[in-house]
Amino acid sequence: EVQLVESGGGLVQPGGSLRLSCAASGFTFSRHWMSWVRQAPGKGLEWLANIKEDGSAKYYVDSVKGRFTISRDNAKNSLYLQMNSLRAEDTAVYYCARDRSGGTCYYYWGQGTLVTVSS
Amino acid sequence: DIVMTQSPDSLAVSLGERATINCKSSQSLLYSSNNKNYLAWYQQKPGQPPKLLISWASTRESGVPDRFSGSGSGTDFTLTISSLQAEDVAVYYCQQYYNTPITFGQGTRLEIK
Repeated sequence: EVQLVESGGGLVQPGGSLRLSCAASGFTFSRHWMSWVRQAPGKGLEWLANIKEDGSAKYYVDSVKGRFTISRDNAKNSLYLQMNSLRAEDTAVYYCARDRSGGTCYYYWGQGTLVTVSS
Repeated sequence: DIVMTQSPDSLAVSLGERATINCKSSQSLLYSSNNKNYLAWYQQKPGQPPKLLISWASTRESGVPDRFSGSGSGTDFTLTISSLQAEDVAVYYCQQYYNTPITFGQGTRLEIK
C-alpha cells in the first residue's frame, strides 16, 4: 500500500525557516517524480514544486522560487521542502504527492502538515 | 503560466439530478504528438487530501463511480455527475499538467439543493 506521511509543520515567525519531510513507502520511491502542493485555509490548491526521480531536475512556482527548495533522499525514501523567508501568506496545509508516470497528476497524496506563519 | 478558470464557483443540485462543472484553460492542453489532453479532475472533502477522479480529461480512475465522467478537449472541459448522490458533496478542482507550473482551477463547491 502506497503511503506518504508528511511531518515538520508547525508555528514559525515571519522570516523564519522550516523543513518539511515526506516519508514514502509501498512503492519504489526512486522511480517517481514527487511534488509539493499546498492549500491555504479555506482556499484552493497551489502546486509548489516537483523533483525528478534522481533529483537532477527541479521546478518551482514563481511565488516560492528562491525561498523554497525541494530535495529528496532516495536511500531514505524521503522528500523534503526547505522553506526560508516565510511569510504570513505561506500559512497552509502542505501536501506531498506522487507524480504519475507519464503525466503530472496525483493519485497518491499525503494527509498534509500544517504550517502557520505568525508572530 | 496556464490559467485555469472553473464555473460556477458553487453549485446546488438535487439528489439524483445531473451536476455539471466547467473548466477553461488559457491555452490548449492538447498535446499534438499523442493527442492527449493534460487535464485532471479532483474531488476534495473537508479535512482530506484531494482525490483524483479523472485524468487525460476523460479517463476515470480505478474505483471512481461511473456516474462521474469527464469530457472536452483543447481549452474547454467538463466534469459531469450524472445522478448526484449525498456523498458527492465536495469541492471539485480541475488541474492542467501540460506544463509547469502545474495549475489548478479555483474550485467549485457542490452542495445538495
